[in-house]
Amino acid sequence: DQQVKQNSPSLSVQEGRISILNCDYTNSMFDYFLWYKKYPAEGPTFLISISSIKDKNEDGRFTVFLNKSAKHLSLHIVPSQPGDSAVYFCAASARTSGTYKYIFGTGTRLKVLA
Amino acid sequence: DTAVSQTPKYLVTQMGNDKSIKCEQNLGHDTMYWYKQDSKKFLKIMFSYNNKELIINETVPNRFSPKSPDKAHLNLHINSLELGDSAVYFCASSHPAGTGDGEQFFGPGTRLTVL
Repeated sequence: DQQVKQNSPSLSVQEGRISILNCDYTNSMFDYFLWYKKYPAEGPTFLISISSIKDKNEDGRFTVFLNKSAKHLSLHIVPSQPGDSAVYFCAASARTSGTYKYIFGTGTRLKVLA
Repeated sequence: DTAVSQTPKYLVTQMGNDKSIKCEQNLGHDTMYWYKQDSKKFLKIMFSYNNKELIINETVPNRFSPKSPDKAHLNLHINSLELGDSAVYFCASSHPAGTGDGEQFFGPGTRLTVL
């Protein structure tokens, strides 16, 4: 039962253009959504998050949009830079047994072409 | 100055063996996790500990036993290794999850290969 889905395994974008990474979820009880970035041979690193009561959160070049009715969120990177090339994981959290559990998608590999 | 460290980075072993992976964090966090990333790239929670107490146990075979000697360490011991245990295992830590947007800090991963 894959509650968080990233249907695009890979994406290539020209440097300077916008990168849009998508994520869909099925559980309407998720409270927060997070994006992590992962370079090869390293662990994921936190990028940005959004509460389920918001529809947009922005941090520098990174903006996350949440469409609750569609159960869809997206990460926009503008402008894209070669250093953004990495695997991006979408994650969602739900409260369970007094704590939060995080469900991750399978990731989208972004390649930014110079 | 590594925040979350794991040893070893690579582990190759035979089926049926017992092995351990160690994790340490120097961030002063109370909560630590083990995740498994399998060949299909799913990153799945296995265990979560808060202040040395097990709070999440995600239907993991009891061949996997986490041990938290103190809140800075969460080790993973695996008995009778099977081929399907081959994966990358990530340790992570965070402040107590008062809200669900708590940032988790991940270690570099341990790639386990069972032959």
